[in-house]
Amino acid sequence: KNEVEQSPQNLTAQEGEFITINCSYSVGISALHWLQQHPGGGIVSLFMLSSGKKKHGRLIATINIQEKHSSLHITASHPRDSAVYICAVGFGGGSQGNLIFGKGTKLSVKP
Amino acid sequence: NAGVMQNPRHLVRRRGQEARLRCSPMKGHSHVYWYRQLPEEGLKFMVYLQKENIIDESGMPKERFSAEFPKEGPSILRIQQVVRGDSAAYFCASSPEFEQFFGPGTRLTVL
Repeated sequence: KNEVEQSPQNLTAQEGEFITINCSYSVGISALHWLQQHPGGGIVSLFMLSSGKKKHGRLIATINIQEKHSSLHITASHPRDSAVYICAVGFGGGSQGNLIFGKGTKLSVKP
Repeated sequence: NAGVMQNPRHLVRRRGQEARLRCSPMKGHSHVYWYRQLPEEGLKFMVYLQKENIIDESGMPKERFSAEFPKEGPSILRIQQVVRGDSAAYFCASSPEFEQFFGPGTRLTVL
């Protein structure tokens, strides 16, 4: 059974700080997703990774397949980054949709 | 290209009624996934469908819940004889192959 663990559960930062959210999983996967859920409840897909590193604006996601670990970094954080960030893993093949989700990291960025 | 659309956004039902949740995938996407987020809990996979076929329904409760994705029209998640424990946010996502794009969700409240 694959477990997805995120840390920290809650994170408060000052505007401008560099933020790191971590995700670990226990078995081999085909891809890892980072999602953002806003206070209003909508979900936005930020990244899908199977190896290496991806960057989009102030967001950077990395994955280490051997260590079964991924990190999401936010540079120059801003109050509008306040949201729940969710890590999810997928297995490909016929069950590619069967994502397993972490419990999320609630980020609050103070001005 | 419009995003994934779900309707209604909010649905209130009394115990014993039926709930029908609709999901229109992005244009060109033939894969649809349904997820449920119970209050204060993480997202859980329910079912994965391709046009006219259920590929993986391992996350669906065995009774009262059904899903379809007809050749024409939206995907439908149907909950019969709703109970209070069905109150949750139901998200669908669509995909052209692997990366998933999420809809805004339907918040079901059972009175």
